[in-house]
This record gives sequence, structure tokens and C-alpha cells, in this order.
Amino acid sequence: ILNVEQSPQSLHVQEGDSTNFTCSFPSSNFYALHWYRWETAKSPEALFVMTLNGDEKKKGRISATLNTKEGYSYLYIKGSQPEDSATYLCALWAGTASKLTFGTGTRLQVTL
Amino acid sequence: SQTIHQWPATLVQPVGSPLSLECTVEGTSNPNLYWYRQAAGRGLQLLFYSVGIGQISSEVPQNLSASRPQDRQFILSSKKLLLSDSGFYLCASYDRVGQRDEKLFFGSGTQLSVL
Repeated sequence: ILNVEQSPQSLHVQEGDSTNFTCSFPSSNFYALHWYRWETAKSPEALFVMTLNGDEKKKGRISATLNTKEGYSYLYIKGSQPEDSATYLCALWAGTASKLTFGTGTRLQVTL
Repeated sequence: SQTIHQWPATLVQPVGSPLSLECTVEGTSNPNLYWYRQAAGRGLQLLFYSVGIGQISSEVPQNLSASRPQDRQFILSSKKLLLSDSGFYLCASYDRVGQRDEKLFFGSGTQLSVL
């Protein structure tokens, strides 16, 4: 059983703050690391799919980095806005598996 | 890109009643299909996945079953619901013959309340 861990479990920041979350995963047999954004009562939506060690991806104010050798990925949000409030999930695709293993998520709440 | 149709959006069922949730996929062929559940206060738990018609893998022992009668149809069922089956159920699809950076597409989810 793969263990994908996310921290912190929840986070409460003020509008305009920058923040970051961590996803830790087993580094052996790595294939891809996914980040999803999940708003309440909606479907999870893919932010990034990262496949190479050292990958850095950016989408607006959100960016992510990947270190496959040490088994972690960081998600950064610059200048948080209330609409960024959601649960952020990372998920590992390992080796020849036919499934993603999700972490338990980081719940972000951004207030005015 | 893919579109996942999942219904119903909400469902309230009595304990002991049967369940059938249906998911259909457009925009791809021969995808991997998945059923996930989020129980209250928890993350996303994989229940079943399928790599082809009639092929079902179960991730956790439970009161539910899944079937894939057609390439782009995935059904989650139960003969008798338990209170613990309450939760938010998501169907997802993955294009396994695509590129390595393919993402998972999710349906809109079903909120199931067993009373």
C-alpha cells in the first residue's frame, strides 16, 4: 500500500497571503504526481501533472515543484484570494499501477 | 477532452434498500474507470477500478460492488445499503493510452445519504 501524505491537513490564511503545501510520497517506482483542486460540491479539477524530477509548473498564481529522488512536491499559492478556498489533493501514479493513490488533502480557507 | 456523466446528483435511501449509481464517459475509448468515495471528514478513497469491460478490481472490502457492462459505462451497486455507505461518490476516467501527463477526469458526484 502506497503512503501519500499531505501537510498541513488544513490551513487558514488571509487574503493576499502566500502559502504552500507539501505532498510526500515513496520515491521508488515513480511515474507521475498529480495535483487537484476540489471545491465543495464540485468535481476535483486537475491543476498539474508532473512527471520529471525538478519539474516546475505554473498556472496563474499557483505553482508546483517536484523532487522525485527525495519523494516530495510543493504547491505554492501567491497572493491567496477567497476563491482559492478549496481542498488541494495530491496523488501518486507509481510504476505500472492502474490507479492513482491520493493523499488526504490540504483544506485551504482564505478570508478577507 | 473527456466528459463524465454521473447521476443522480443526490440520493436519500433507507437502510437496507438497493443502490445503483451510473457513470458514462464521452470523448475517449477504452479508458480506465474508477469509483471513489469521500466519507465525512476524510479524503478520497478508491473503491473500485476497471481497466476494461467486465474487469473489476476492488480496493477495500465493503458492502458495494461495481460492474462495467460497456466500454464507457461504470456502475456502482449495493443490494442492501448500510448507514456507513453514506458519502460523496465520484466516478473518474483516465485515458491510459494517452501521454504520461494525462490527468484524471471526474464526474460531478453523487451525495448519498442512507437513513
